Amino acid sequence: DARVTQTPRHKVTEMGQEVTMRCQPILGHNTVFWYRQTMMQGLELLAYFRNRAPLDDSGMPKDRFSAEMPDATLATLKIQPSEPRDSAVYFCASGLPRTGHYNEQFFGPGTRLTVL
Amino acid sequence: QQQVKQSPQSLIVQKGGISIINCAYENTAFDYFPWYQQFPGKGPALLIAIRPDVSEKKEGRFTISFNKSAKQFSLHIMDSQPGDSATYFCAAGYTGTASKLTFGTGTRLQVTL
Repeated sequence: DARVTQTPRHKVTEMGQEVTMRCQPILGHNTVFWYRQTMMQGLELLAYFRNRAPLDDSGMPKDRFSAEMPDATLATLKIQPSEPRDSAVYFCASGLPRTGHYNEQFFGPGTRLTVL
Repeated sequence: QQQVKQSPQSLIVQKGGISIINCAYENTAFDYFPWYQQFPGKGPALLIAIRPDVSEKKEGRFTISFNKSAKQFSLHIMDSQPGDSATYFCAAGYTGTASKLTFGTGTRLQVTL
């Protein structure tokens, strides 16, 4: 059945290291979202893409975070250098928004990142 | 103006009871109000959604009540079951191609036996 996949599921790294998270959206979906979930802040939208073009990345710390869609089947979120405060669960979601329809976002299982 | 405020932060309900979670929004341009359910270790999943042209939507034991004038909406879970124990997020956004959602901070629901 169609689902969003994310890799890795868990990542432990040391402060200063580069972290790359990957997402494969549901085939045919043209919109991809990156969220960060923490106990304190809940679900925060970091960035989102439509047809591989970035539409909004205002939620993302620009100095260390970057998001890209090299092709329609892959979205990446990079943190360089990583810091302990980046520890969180990062979710990717995809959707196919259409006029007059509920725009459901389908979430992946998340990447749990721990920065020591 | 983009905030969605959700309460309570956590909720404990006995099996068979009614769980009620409330949300308030500020931006009157929002026209889509979904609720997402998240189990531990999983991503959120759409539970039920409503548009502001109706005041209530029911799907099984789950009901959204919507008060447009007060800019508030709530989720009611009737006959709550232990399997409903999860974190619930309200959200607000738009139908059409502007698909960005603003999420509430979440409510952790525990249904006890």
